[in-house]
Amino acid sequence: NAGVTQTPKFRVLKTGQSMTLLCAQDMNHEYMYWYRQDPGMGLRLIHYSVGEGTTAKGEVPDGYNVSRLKKQNFLLGLESAAPSQTSVYFCASSLASHWETQYFGPGTRLLVL
Amino acid sequence: RKEVEQDPGPFNVPEGATVAFNCTYSNSASQSFFWYRQDCRKEPKLLMSVYSSGNEDGRFTAQLNRASQYISLLIRDSKLSDSATYLCVVNVGQNFVFGPGTRLSVLP
Repeated sequence: NAGVTQTPKFRVLKTGQSMTLLCAQDMNHEYMYWYRQDPGMGLRLIHYSVGEGTTAKGEVPDGYNVSRLKKQNFLLGLESAAPSQTSVYFCASSLASHWETQYFGPGTRLLVL
Repeated sequence: RKEVEQDPGPFNVPEGATVAFNCTYSNSASQSFFWYRQDCRKEPKLLMSVYSSGNEDGRFTAQLNRASQYISLLIRDSKLSDSATYLCVVNVGQNFVFGPGTRLSVLP
């Protein structure tokens, strides 16, 4: 039981490049989330999903897209990376309720030059 | 006003000390409250949920004051292993809002 895993762990991009971050969970959780964490800002919700095939915008969705084609996977895409997207990205999952504990992946550190 | 605010810290305390963290939230409709712990360069992990009646888990005690929209976390008999950043988390509608965190360093 690996819990929540994220791929890659670290990436450097040039401005304008695209990439996809992969989140996978093996706990059969319905809800999945993508956050970014910046110094002094706390975690901010980018997008979330309450089930396979559904996604919704969070607090800071601009510049990101997501897909949840399989229940266990939640993908975060950056179509044209900008230096402002330099951050640590965390994926999380929880049981079918926003009241449940969220389990986080180890994070992806992204540097956009 | 930010939705969730915390003591800026850092808190540097000796082993064995008692330390308290404060958190305030702005949305009076919030229903669920948590404290998460985050070690340096690691992911957040749930420390404890916060219930209206207050709750205790070993050396950790959490309190909620709905009237003042205030949450607290008390750590007694601090250990070196308690050194981490403590995140206050509050639900806003269907989502959760994380506070910026308060860093604690327990010194030998």
